[in-house]
This record gives sequence, C-alpha cells and structure tokens, in this order.
Amino acid sequence: DGGITQSPKYLFRKEGQNVTLSCEQNLNHDAMYWYRQDPGQGLRLIYYSQIVNDFQKGDIAEGYSVSREKKESFPLTVTSAQKNPTAFYLCASSIWRTGVFGANVLTFGAGSRLTVL
Amino acid sequence: GENVEQHPSTLSVQEGDSAVIKCTYSDSASNYFPWYKQELGKRPQLIIDIRSNVGEKKDQRIAVTLNKTAKHFSLHITETQPEDSAVYFCAASWAAGGGNKLTFGTGTQLKVEL
Repeated sequence: DGGITQSPKYLFRKEGQNVTLSCEQNLNHDAMYWYRQDPGQGLRLIYYSQIVNDFQKGDIAEGYSVSREKKESFPLTVTSAQKNPTAFYLCASSIWRTGVFGANVLTFGAGSRLTVL
Repeated sequence: GENVEQHPSTLSVQEGDSAVIKCTYSDSASNYFPWYKQELGKRPQLIIDIRSNVGEKKDQRIAVTLNKTAKHFSLHITETQPEDSAVYFCAASWAAGGGNKLTFGTGTQLKVEL
C-alpha cells in the first residue's frame, strides 16, 4: 500500500462537526484529487490540485474545502455545510502533463469511510 | 461538462464466458478513455485505457473499443475468471485540457460464477 496514504480509514462524526481527511503521497506527483464514492453513483470529483498552493473545484465541491501547502499533502475538510457527508472518500494523484495525449494514470489511496451519526 | 453513462449496472456471467460493458460520453472533445477495476474493499486500479487516435486496444484477455462518431466505448473481457469479479468504472477526459480531470461512469458490478 505504498505511494499514497489516506487516514483515517474509518471516521465517525456527529452532525455539525467539521472533519479533516488526510492524504499523503510519496510518488512526486504534481496533481492530487479527491473523489467521493457512493453506491450506484460512481466516482465524483470534489476538488483537484495541479500544483502547490492552487486547487480547483470539481463537480461536487459544495460543503468541502481543501488546501495544498505541500506537494505531498492534500487534506480534505468535510464541513458542517455538507448536507449528506456519509460516504467513501478516495484520494488520488497523478503526474500533470498537458498536450493532446497528456492524460495520465491515477493512483488511488485506500480510501476513508466517513459516517455521520 | 462531460457526462458518462455506463451500462449495465450489474452483470453476471459464467466462468469462461465473455463480458461486455458499455459507456457513452457526451463531450466530443474528450479523447482519453480509461477503465478502472475496483475489487471488493480495495482501491480502483487502471486496467486499460484508449486514446482517440485508435479504435481498439487489447491486453491479454481484455480489450477496449472506441467509436468516436457514436461517442461510445466498450470493455470486453474474454474467458472470464472468478478473479475478474469486481466493479468496473469507465471514464472520459479531455487530455489537452491538462492532466486527468476525469468524469467517471456509475460503475458495473461484474460477478463471474463458477
């Protein structure tokens, strides 16, 4: 399970609390991503970051926040504004290469399962 | 933005049979189409990908075909084995836009029965 590490694996939260999920990679990848996985809905992009100190909203960014202070780290905060936070969260990383055939392979972490009580 | 539809949501086959999973995409600018496999309790992993300059790509028992005109692509698994049982996700992106802002399909649960 080397390369990209997520913690904690399981997390329980009371309504109204913010929680932060950790994601660390030692692959020297420029780009990092957060996806949310719900049954029957596939993987939906929350936020992504191409370089340090820069990040972009994905398709479902409302109620979430991120930071990218170091290349290796991309923590995700699930805020109390997120209406339905119970889900499986996956962090991923890749090199960032532009150009017509610049797409790259995502390396995923093992995931964090958040349950709101 | 891009929208990817994936069918079927569940697929059950007998060991040794073939399995086909189909995806359609909406953005004609998309030119990179990977497939990820997620075994139970594990992280998704890339199994094969195809770019828009080719119509088919094979890797042992798996193959992917792409029809740009119809905007659909398919995953074909031949001689299925129990270890092929997993959730499979297709995805699409516009590689020229930089990196991997992938849009995923909703996944197909493949079960290979003995």
